[in-house]
Amino acid sequence: NAGVMQNPRHLVRRRGQEARLRCSPMKGHSHVYWYRQLPEEGLKFMVYLQKENIIDESGMPKERFSAEFPKEGPSILRIQQVVRGDSAAYFCASSPPTGVANEQFFGPGTRLTVL
Amino acid sequence: AQKITQTQPGMFVQEKEAVTLDCTYDTSDPSYGLFWYKQPSSGEMIFLIYQGSYDQQNATEGRYSLNFQKARKSANLVISASQLGDSAMYFCAMRANRDDKIIFGKGTRLHILP
Repeated sequence: NAGVMQNPRHLVRRRGQEARLRCSPMKGHSHVYWYRQLPEEGLKFMVYLQKENIIDESGMPKERFSAEFPKEGPSILRIQQVVRGDSAAYFCASSPPTGVANEQFFGPGTRLTVL
Repeated sequence: AQKITQTQPGMFVQEKEAVTLDCTYDTSDPSYGLFWYKQPSSGEMIFLIYQGSYDQQNATEGRYSLNFQKARKSANLVISASQLGDSAMYFCAMRANRDDKIIFGKGTRLHILP
């Protein structure tokens, strides 16, 4: 049973480019969460999605950031016109559709470096 | 608002000794869960242990135990018989049961010395 998959594991972008981060949840999981970890910091919640719905985006920056979780395919976190401050590790977690959302299983993360 | 405080940015411990990593939390929710995660240098987040706010007994998982003191809002992680492979960053976290997001502390970097 494969865990949460994230790709790419490392992503380098120049300022002004777009970054697309992908997350495939565990099999049977329909809830996806994105977190950001700045250097030497803990993870901070960004957004919570279910299939085709954004449930909670209270942690998302108001501009340049968007997330989706389509009916088919992985969840995508998209950062437009990246800036150096976007350099961070981005973690995706998933949880099953029933039961407590305590059970969030984390992926290995995508490390974004903006040059 | 919910908050997690980890006051030890770094710790050095001799191999085979027990380690206590401090964590205090703040929440007005009566029902919540507390977590500890380990993040080695490779970067992944490894779930270690979970404690529910209504659990009567302290959680244990192998060499990990959570010293839960509800009145003090404290959830310290105890690692018994530390090993070199325990060297990593450790994060305390919580989630209110009515909520979906996990709130993380800033972490404690643990170094196990041979």
